[in-house]
Amino acid sequence: SQQGEEDPQALSIQEGENATMNCSYKTSINNLQWYRQNSGRGLVHLILIRSNEREKHSGRLRVTLDTSKKSSSLLITASRAADTASYFCATALFVGYSTLTFGKGTMLLVSP
Amino acid sequence: EPEVTQTPSHQVTQMGQEVILRCVPISNHLYFYWYRQILGQKVEFLVSFYNNEISEKSEIFDDQFSVERPDGSNFTLKIRSTKLEDSAMYFCASIWTGSTDTQYFGPGTRLTVL
Repeated sequence: SQQGEEDPQALSIQEGENATMNCSYKTSINNLQWYRQNSGRGLVHLILIRSNEREKHSGRLRVTLDTSKKSSSLLITASRAADTASYFCATALFVGYSTLTFGKGTMLLVSP
Repeated sequence: EPEVTQTPSHQVTQMGQEVILRCVPISNHLYFYWYRQILGQKVEFLVSFYNNEISEKSEIFDDQFSVERPDGSNFTLKIRSTKLEDSAMYFCASIWTGSTDTQYFGPGTRLTVL
């Protein structure tokens, strides 16, 4: 089974619109993290939400976590062309120095 | 702001050759990781390293791979005899001592095996 599966695989929107990406996972987790990757570049950590949290905000980002459904969503409000990137969710099974299991990612294209 | 650095940014090698990928984790970080991402696929965990020894490794990390912390700053991944399927982006990551959850990733090394 796959841990961390995002949908949609690709999302195309206009600047100013909101973008929502979803992530589902299979096993119980300690926390879930979202990363951004610009084409061919490194992974930039966006936000971390712990299993005892339901919602978290950071600037234009809003993350929710539903442990009963084993799913998370990332909302980017008022998107900009610079938000064009791939977005990955990654789950950590344990507290502390747990390895991360990544999903396949959602490719977001924001057109001016 | 401190960041993880990796060198080289791109390495091209012939099949069967040895390569060493280098990483400088954020200073005072204690836990280090290597991940790889084959083009178009998900990021996969290879190995974690703590207190000068491997803490955990995936099934991908076979005898062809090794890691080392040769000095107080560098963290290396060696592939002894590269295969075509080793072509990927390799990411180093480290964890800040004050928080054991957020992994900070380097920019990656793109390895191309011909």
